[in-house]
Amino acid sequence: QVQLVESGGGLVKPGGSLRLSCAASGFTFSDYYMSWIRQAPGKGLEWVSYISSTGSTTDYADSVKGRFTISRDNAKNSLFLQLNSLRAEDTAVYYCARGRYSYYWGQGTLVTVSS
Amino acid sequence: EIVLTQSPGTLSLSPGERATLSCRASQSVSSGYLAWCQQKPGQAPRLLIYGASTRATGIPDRFSGSGSGTDFTLTISRLEPEDFAVYYCQQYAGSPFTFGQGTRLEIK
Repeated sequence: QVQLVESGGGLVKPGGSLRLSCAASGFTFSDYYMSWIRQAPGKGLEWVSYISSTGSTTDYADSVKGRFTISRDNAKNSLFLQLNSLRAEDTAVYYCARGRYSYYWGQGTLVTVSS
Repeated sequence: EIVLTQSPGTLSLSPGERATLSCRASQSVSSGYLAWCQQKPGQAPRLLIYGASTRATGIPDRFSGSGSGTDFTLTISRLEPEDFAVYYCQQYAGSPFTFGQGTRLEIK
């Protein structure tokens, strides 16, 4: 069955960096676009970024553009999100999801930005 | 950027009743690239509907989606106790693939 498992979250100071990972299994990873979506505590869903199946095309929400970088390793069935210049407002659970419309979701990893 | 506005913000109904949730887009969502997902407390979201009206794998047929252009609807024909949750619409016609702010479906 399809599994998406995020890791790499944690507590980081403002201005710091983190790298999130998402391990995929149960489907042909290299066939699918992948997305990152986040949810701040008590808030709604916010789309963050997507990457095409080959990695040649990416895009970002304006709120993270220039600070976050999405990438993938199709040989290792893995998706990544590099978070730089973190701010308090980036505090959220970060989900990876398969496809542009998030057919499958992981359980999420919590990123807390606080001094 | 396509802005999605969901209504109502909160919907209070009883089990067995019919629920109608609305999602309105600020511009036309081409090819009906509109999805609905459900989120229960402490859980990841789950996809219900994509392509405006196609149910995802394993989704009961009491859930149905309709609409085109700028107006979309999620209907739950007869509410079961497990259906009380938050529902989000998402457009994937053009990046950024925005979400609506959500509709909370609560037990009356």
